[in-house]
Amino acid sequence: DGGITQSPKYLFRKEGQNVTLSCEQNLNHDAMYWYRQDPGQGLRLIYYSQIVNDFQKGDIAEGYSVSREKKESFPLTVTSAQKNPTAFYLCASSITGSPSYEQYFGPGTRLTVT
Amino acid sequence: AQTVTQSQPEMSVQEAETVTLSCTYDTSESDYYLFWYKQPPSRQMILVIRQEAYKQQNATENRFSVNFQKAAKSFSLKISDSQLGDAAMYFCAYRSALEYGNKLVFGAGTILRVKS
Repeated sequence: DGGITQSPKYLFRKEGQNVTLSCEQNLNHDAMYWYRQDPGQGLRLIYYSQIVNDFQKGDIAEGYSVSREKKESFPLTVTSAQKNPTAFYLCASSITGSPSYEQYFGPGTRLTVT
Repeated sequence: AQTVTQSQPEMSVQEAETVTLSCTYDTSESDYYLFWYKQPPSRQMILVIRQEAYKQQNATENRFSVNFQKAAKSFSLKISDSQLGDAAMYFCAYRSALEYGNKLVFGAGTILRVKS
């Protein structure tokens, strides 16, 4: 079955440590996205990539980094510079070429930093 | 920058009844797309319905329909014959047809509770 995999479902880290969230898709989509979800704020865009080896900052990129070395993979690193990293993180992918195309979402990763 | 506002943090509906979720947005663009996504307790985001701004006809998907008022920048979702499985967080989202990246701008969401 085609879809988006995010692992792990729950992640716990100590403050000051970097952590990498995995996102893999087998939908053959060119575009991939990372969103952060906090209570009462909806989803906010962190980074996005329309093609391999290219990515752009979203609205809240500070304290995060990404790479896009393969079409299927778009890992997100939450660095120690991110002031409030505890949140639910969602990865999405989409066909490019038309803004009408749906974004497909992964199941998410809940990150807790203490 | 575009913004999306969902003014109802929480709504309740009786099973089999109809409920309408509100969404307004702010944009200076004339060409764009609007979406409603559903996030059940599993937290898996699911597309419910989409609307192209250039289409005057309101989109419909089975029990889900929208009331798209372009001049008023309003995009409400109507759920008919509500079912227990409709209980979820619903997000309204905007996508520009012109901006690079096909990014979605989300509202804060509305929690829908369905009573049996």
